[in-house]
Amino acid sequence: KAGVTQTPRYLIKTRGQQVTLSCSPISGHRSVSWYQQTPGQGLQFLFEYFSETQRNKGNFPGRFSGRQFSNSRSEMNVSTLELGDSALYLCASSLEGIQAYGYTFGSGTRLTVV
Amino acid sequence: LAKTTQPISMDSYEGQEVNITCSHNNIATNDYITWYQQFPSQGPRFIIQGYKTKVTNEVASLFIPADRKSSTLSLPRVSLSDTAVYYCLVGADSGNTPLVFGKGTRLSVIA
Repeated sequence: KAGVTQTPRYLIKTRGQQVTLSCSPISGHRSVSWYQQTPGQGLQFLFEYFSETQRNKGNFPGRFSGRQFSNSRSEMNVSTLELGDSALYLCASSLEGIQAYGYTFGSGTRLTVV
Repeated sequence: LAKTTQPISMDSYEGQEVNITCSHNNIATNDYITWYQQFPSQGPRFIIQGYKTKVTNEVASLFIPADRKSSTLSLPRVSLSDTAVYYCLVGADSGNTPLVFGKGTRLSVIA
């Protein structure tokens, strides 16, 4: 059974640019959540999509956005990149987005903003 | 969301049993307790989950007392490859509450 696939694995962007990251969840999983991980702030929740609708949102500026397609694949976009956006971006898929059923994380996309 | 408190770090020698305790005083009736393991530059990996008493799988055991205000993750006979950050999460069985990670416990296994 394929796991959660995130692409690209590494990315280097210049300040002011925008970036799009992709996440393919486990087949049959309808919930996809996105997290930002930095050494200083740890794992922070960005947003969750369930059946193409944003169901939950963390405390991040509007530069961070996402969407989910009918096949449950999800993308997140960061516009007007700042140096502080350098982080490991993780997505997690879940059957129904219910903690009791467990979440599976991808290996992440390492974004470096220069 | 119930807040969790865990030790920041722990050290252990190879072959020892490691117990990591998590406090969650405000746990709600329908909350589950889940532990994740994370290696550097990888996503967290589900280890074990429980609601009450004791749960055991091939990797770890989870002990939850009757009041459920704390839980203990037990790793038997750790090896160097168990060096990682361990997160305790508490969350409901409904789909409207995202996973919220704390700082976790950094376990260092020494040869």
